[in-house]
Amino acid sequence: QAVLTQPSSLSASPGASASLTCTLRSGINVGTYWIYWYQQKPGSPPQYLLRYKSDSDKQQGSGVPSRFSGSKDASANAGILLISGLQSEDEADYYCMIWHSSTWVFGGGTKLTVL
Amino acid sequence: QVQLVQSGAEVKKPGASVKVSCEASGYTFTSYDINWVRQATGQGLEWMGWMSPNSGNTGYAQTFQGRVTMTRDSSISTAYMELSSLTSEDTAVYYCARGPPNWGFGDYWGQGTLVTVSS
Repeated sequence: QAVLTQPSSLSASPGASASLTCTLRSGINVGTYWIYWYQQKPGSPPQYLLRYKSDSDKQQGSGVPSRFSGSKDASANAGILLISGLQSEDEADYYCMIWHSSTWVFGGGTKLTVL
Repeated sequence: QVQLVQSGAEVKKPGASVKVSCEASGYTFTSYDINWVRQATGQGLEWMGWMSPNSGNTGYAQTFQGRVTMTRDSSISTAYMELSSLTSEDTAVYYCARGPPNWGFGDYWGQGTLVTVSS
């Protein structure tokens, strides 16, 4: 079982909100991890969005709009990237990442379609 | 402004090695780690390892242990990633990314270097 699991795709309408999940493997407690989020558009390197550990421990990337935010769902053992007020430019691949067992681990990525 | 500029695309034969460079500018090179990430076409991101330009210390993903070497030349603010015993599975875009202290990495990324392994 992968360390981080992300849904492969998600669709949402302009102006709506999208909740992208990053589920940690059973036995790895989401509460103890910083969850990093990156956005990648075709042909470009990833861009750092934010990192989230708790409401008091979080960091927004420089220039990243506040409509991108992080949270956790402890009951689902998952990190969440919430994008509100979706815009067409938000259509991209989104990756989560954690530091686990002395290794940076990426989720498989979610392709977000805004239509 | 901070920039990471990588070397150009490479075509290699199976069994060969490739060395990709990442030239940093706009900040103090030795104050930030450099991480390397690769991405096969249409696939996700795969972390390869990190290097401290200050100490030269490195940490590699188990997948690449024994096959990857990360080095630097601080005099020219350049980091290198060398991958040996290439197979077609190593065909990918390779990225370098900066890692601030006590942080993850990726506040700045290189533009990527396509490495194609083909006979």
